[in-house]
Amino acid sequence: AQSVSQHNHHVILSEAASLELGCNYSYGGTVNLFWYVQYPGQHLQLLLKYFSGDPLVKGIKGFEAEFIKSKFSFNLRKPSVQWSDTAEYFCAVTGANSKLTFGKGITLSVRP
Amino acid sequence: EAQVTQNPRYLITVTGKKLTVTCSQNMNHEYMSWYRQDPGLGLRQIYYSMNVEVTDKGDVPEGYKVSRKEKRNFPLILESPSPNQTSLYFCASSSGRGGFTDTQYFGPGTRLTVL
Repeated sequence: AQSVSQHNHHVILSEAASLELGCNYSYGGTVNLFWYVQYPGQHLQLLLKYFSGDPLVKGIKGFEAEFIKSKFSFNLRKPSVQWSDTAEYFCAVTGANSKLTFGKGITLSVRP
Repeated sequence: EAQVTQNPRYLITVTGKKLTVTCSQNMNHEYMSWYRQDPGLGLRQIYYSMNVEVTDKGDVPEGYKVSRKEKRNFPLILESPSPNQTSLYFCASSSGRGGFTDTQYFGPGTRLTVL
């Protein structure tokens, strides 16, 4: 069965700082990878996803993620965060059975 | 507007009193799921359905039931709620083309408190 590990539980940054949120998964086969975001009081929405092809994936609101197969990683990045990026971020993976497994989430707080 | 709706949004109940949380989607999606979100545990899948009359257990199915009699609806039933089912619940749907590999569309959530 697959699993997802997100390294930090709470990240605090100042506006304009660069962001990198770690995500590692364990699964030996072909995977599909996702980052979802949950803004305060709202439901989850998709930031970006990787199925195949270019391992550098661009999503909404200036986010991007890089799939590194050798490291089983799919880290989320943004060059310059804004206060409005304050949210909880979830990495998720599907394996051969197409079951979707979420990580425990990372809370990002951006100070204005 | 394409959306997933859940009702109620907030519910406070007592131990043992049966309740149903409804979920409906208007996107003609085959796949639907229920998740619970708890602090420090992220989202855990309770049940999922790949089509009408086809349901299966997720990671934490104990104490829950579901049914899928119509494509658009996927209610979550708690026959005898207990305090450890106090949580935030999300329903999600996705198209049948790729199952859960497709983008999940989430409902707004139902915050349940069981006293």
